[in-house]
Amino acid sequence: GENVEQHPSTLSVQEGDSAVIKCTYSDSASNYFPWYKQELGKRPQLIIDIRSNVGEKKDQRIAVTLNKTAKHFSLHITETQPEDSAVYFCAASKGGGTSYGKLTFGQGTILTVHP
Amino acid sequence: DGGITQSPKYLFRKEGQNVTLSCEQNLNHDAMYWYRQDPGQGLRLIYYSQIVNDFQKGDIAEGYSVSREKKESFPLTVTSAQKNPTAFYLCASSIRDRNSPLHFGNGTRLTVT
Repeated sequence: GENVEQHPSTLSVQEGDSAVIKCTYSDSASNYFPWYKQELGKRPQLIIDIRSNVGEKKDQRIAVTLNKTAKHFSLHITETQPEDSAVYFCAASKGGGTSYGKLTFGQGTILTVHP
Repeated sequence: DGGITQSPKYLFRKEGQNVTLSCEQNLNHDAMYWYRQDPGQGLRLIYYSQIVNDFQKGDIAEGYSVSREKKESFPLTVTSAQKNPTAFYLCASSIRDRNSPLHFGNGTRLTVT
């Protein structure tokens, strides 16, 4: 089955700096790569996603890049703010047949943004 | 708020007892999922259901059981056969379409002593 590795496990940055979180996946058939943010004590929420026919996607201060050949994708947060502090999860799925919505998650990255 | 309700928020049980976690959604989603969250291990899929009266095992189904008698409900039973049941359990739902995002509930923290 699919295996998703996420690095780093913890990341500490100063407010205004950029943060980058990287994930690799094992199944070349995976074609959907969402990122979730989970604040302390709250539910994970989708912040951005990318499909395998796209190499990069941006939404204000957040961007995701995908390298299908190398089977890795990354989350980039620019101009970080204290409210960006949370646990971030990457995930991958094949998105078809019996795999509908069957996401495999990375281990998570605890991001801390210091004022 | 989010359309997915998990109850209770905290649950305490003695070892050897079965316990059922509730998950209800009013988003009219066909697909529902149960994930387990442990520190440093991300979210691991326990069971998922794409349609009423049908469900499939996820990656860590041993010691768990589910039912899907109604579209809105997907309860999870943690049986006494689950060796390490203490964890945070998250229910999610999605439309039954390729690459659709998951909508999560607020979770239930189960502690078994």
